[in-house]
Amino acid sequence: GAGVSQSPSNKVTEKGKDVELRCDPISGHTALYWYRQSLGQGLEFLIYFQGNSAPDKSGLPSDRFSAERTGGSVSTLTIQRTQQEDSAVYLCASSLSIAGLTDTQYFGPGTRLTVL
Amino acid sequence: GDSVTQMEGPVTLSEEAFLTINCTYTATGYPSLFWYVQYPGEGLQLLLKATKADDKGSNKGFEATYRKETTSFHLEKGSVQVSDSAVYFCALNARGAQKLVFGQGTRLTINP
Repeated sequence: GAGVSQSPSNKVTEKGKDVELRCDPISGHTALYWYRQSLGQGLEFLIYFQGNSAPDKSGLPSDRFSAERTGGSVSTLTIQRTQQEDSAVYLCASSLSIAGLTDTQYFGPGTRLTVL
Repeated sequence: GDSVTQMEGPVTLSEEAFLTINCTYTATGYPSLFWYVQYPGEGLQLLLKATKADDKGSNKGFEATYRKETTSFHLEKGSVQVSDSAVYFCALNARGAQKLVFGQGTRLTINP
């Protein structure tokens, strides 16, 4: 079946602009995650959704970052007033989230964000 | 907090060599442990996992054993191939938490 998809695959923006990154999880997966992969920081957790609610936002680096999920499916990560340090690959993952079992997270191909 | 420490790379080996990539972790309780692989130009893929002490995860000739006493989850393969060239990430998922905590990644290059 279809895997996790993300769009755009590449985004180049100017410092100070807002950007939106989209994630389409695997159908039926109730849990959705955003991570960031950058040279200096490695792979970092940003936010986790269970359905449409976000019980763990602990990884969002500043209030310029926000995310939402609608209909228990598609999620959008928004970065306002982008800075050069926001340049990274943004990864989305989804999982079935069955209570009592260890979930496997399936990752999308990522969106490479470059802030000039 | 929870953390994962991986063997520093890059690692370069010849085809058919034995591979070990070390991974140790710090976590409260008993986390689940994972190895993910990122092939050139591709996304992260789960390679193997183990959910409790002494479990052995295996896939594609790779193996890793969950060692609680040494808090380790070292990745091994008996005979590597050029197609194994990739970046390997060790990760943990703490009990009661949903997020994955990753090591810094180890770039592996296999020469023919």
